Amino acid sequence: GQQLNQSPQSMFIQEGEDVSMNCTSSSIFNTWLWYKQDPGEGPVLLIALYKAGELTSNGRLTAQFGITRKDSFLNISASIPSDVGIYFCAGREGSQGNLIFGKGTKLSVKP
Amino acid sequence: EPEVTQTPSHQVTQMGQEVILRCVPISNHLYFYWYRQILGQKVEFLVSFYNNEISEKSEIFDDQFSVERPDGSNFTLKIRSTKLEDSAMYFCASSDSTYNQPQHFGDGTRLSIL
Repeated sequence: GQQLNQSPQSMFIQEGEDVSMNCTSSSIFNTWLWYKQDPGEGPVLLIALYKAGELTSNGRLTAQFGITRKDSFLNISASIPSDVGIYFCAGREGSQGNLIFGKGTKLSVKP
Repeated sequence: EPEVTQTPSHQVTQMGQEVILRCVPISNHLYFYWYRQILGQKVEFLVSFYNNEISEKSEIFDDQFSVERPDGSNFTLKIRSTKLEDSAMYFCASSDSTYNQPQHFGDGTRLSIL
């Protein structure tokens, strides 16, 4: 089935640093979503993207829908300890409603 | 803010038994989904449900699985004759449209098969 390549797999950064992660797909997606998952909880929506080239911010988070519609990135500026968690990209292709998830980026922030 | 709620938070069941996982989607949402996440792995789609019928399902969602919306608020996932490999987190999600609307997830049910 369709696979999303999400990188990096994990990141260890110092508090205050900026973070960037991305996802690529071999096929075109019409929606890209970024979720954060804390231990023992469900994915929480961070940003939703619906148009190629769209750049959307949510506080310190910024995400873009790649113009080829096959990729997306998420940036976190000035990281803080509560940014720790696993970040998942998810995409929707064609007319299907189901989401295809990346394998996640585990973010660790050192105070 | 409205949220998706799931019960129980943790279910322990003997192999071969049937389990029912319950979800209350966000009240004005029309599309409902089940996903699972095996420990340490990515979230995988199982099934979507709209207008009282399944609209899509993955290869994982075989005859062992079924979904139901027994009333106006609950959405259930039944797993018959559970197997060890069914152990996972099961997430319910809902959205008010298939297109251009994000899916909101519950906190999941951790299913442990012994």
